[in-house]
Amino acid sequence: DGGITQSPKYLFRKEGQNVTLSCEQNLNHDAMYWYRQDPGQGLRLIYYSQIVNDFQKGDIAEGYSVSREKKESFPLTVTSAQKNPTAFYLCASAGGAGTEAFFGQGTRLTVV
Amino acid sequence: GQQLNQSPQSMFIQEGEDVSMNCTSSSIFNTWLWYKQEPGEGPVLLIALYKAGELTSNGRLTAQFGITRKDSFLNISASIPSDVGIYFCAGQSLNSGYALNFGKGTSLLVTP
Repeated sequence: DGGITQSPKYLFRKEGQNVTLSCEQNLNHDAMYWYRQDPGQGLRLIYYSQIVNDFQKGDIAEGYSVSREKKESFPLTVTSAQKNPTAFYLCASAGGAGTEAFFGQGTRLTVV
Repeated sequence: GQQLNQSPQSMFIQEGEDVSMNCTSSSIFNTWLWYKQEPGEGPVLLIALYKAGELTSNGRLTAQFGITRKDSFLNISASIPSDVGIYFCAGQSLNSGYALNFGKGTSLLVTP
């Protein structure tokens, strides 16, 4: 099946630990995005990448890092510097700039 | 990122009624997208708009790309209980590197 896969669906971590969220797509899409969603809130952009080996900060990049070594993969690391990491994280991909973007099922991260 | 103002914030309607929601921006967009999100899931793309003035339908859903390129609306006709969810608008522009910017969502509740 073609699509965007985020794993795991639920993730628990202790405060102070870094954690990496996976996002893989087999749609041959150039662009990939990471968003954070808090309860009752909209989606806020963390990082995005329009092409392999290149990425840009979004509105709330502090405390997060990404890499784009392969077209299919755009992992997000939530570092210990992120003050309030508990949230629902969504990954999306698009065929190119200005085209339709499709989302994965999300990862709910809880930091205790 | 660019600010999108989405309204109304929530709607509570009876089955069979029509629904209208809209998004406005202070900046011009090249693409408008409309998504629906159900609890605990990723947003699902409903309609994509690429040209100013474009009117596009998807079943009971109709969306338009405003002539000024700073607004878009989504209409749902003859609502049914499964229309319940949160509807998001999203815009992309060349000026912001085609980052996908979201409104805060319209929460729709439909009673039988």
